[in-house]
Amino acid sequence: DAGITQSPRHKVTETGTPVTLRCHQTENHRYMYWYRQDPGHGLRLIHYSYGVKDTDKGEVSDGYSVSRSKTEDFLLTLESATSSQTSVYFCAISDQGADTQYFGPGTRLTVL
Amino acid sequence: GQQLNQSPQSMFIQEGEDVSMNCTSSSIFNTWLWYKQDPGEGPVLLIALYKAGELTSNGRLTAQFGITRKDSFLNISASIPSDVGIYFCAGQLLGSQGNLIFGKGTKLSVKP
Repeated sequence: DAGITQSPRHKVTETGTPVTLRCHQTENHRYMYWYRQDPGHGLRLIHYSYGVKDTDKGEVSDGYSVSRSKTEDFLLTLESATSSQTSVYFCAISDQGADTQYFGPGTRLTVL
Repeated sequence: GQQLNQSPQSMFIQEGEDVSMNCTSSSIFNTWLWYKQDPGEGPVLLIALYKAGELTSNGRLTAQFGITRKDSFLNISASIPSDVGIYFCAGQLLGSQGNLIFGKGTKLSVKP
């Protein structure tokens, strides 16, 4: 299994509070991704990174920001959480680009 | 945005049966991937396909990259109870430096 961990694995928070999710990899892969998974929508890309300090928006980036200060860590921040951001969040990594992505175990976020 | 049509949405299997599912699009892809997701876990890569017409096996699983480059198929032979879960296809559009597009999944369950 690819060495990907996500923290926390579960979080309950209130509307309007900031939330940061962390993805950590031990594979030294260049590319890292954040997805959200919702019933009826499948996996949707939020943001991705193609190197340290190099990030770009995905399909559903509104309300989210990311940072990558080290190869191994990719942070996803919800500046002011809303109930519509209740979801399961997955991090993924890739060495070659968009293909052959390996996923972390996920973080279940509930915004009350 | 671009869409992948994955079918069937769900199916019931009896142990020993063969299973087939597919993904289609109106666009051309240069990579097709198949993932399996168990409850509470992240998707796990099963098979990756990179060339039109390519047929690749992984144990009892066989996947094919359609000749038109607009579709892909996954077959599971002699299904067993641990095959239950959700199967996702994903693809990278031809000529795109962009990211993977995911199907909405096929849910495999055991026949009651």
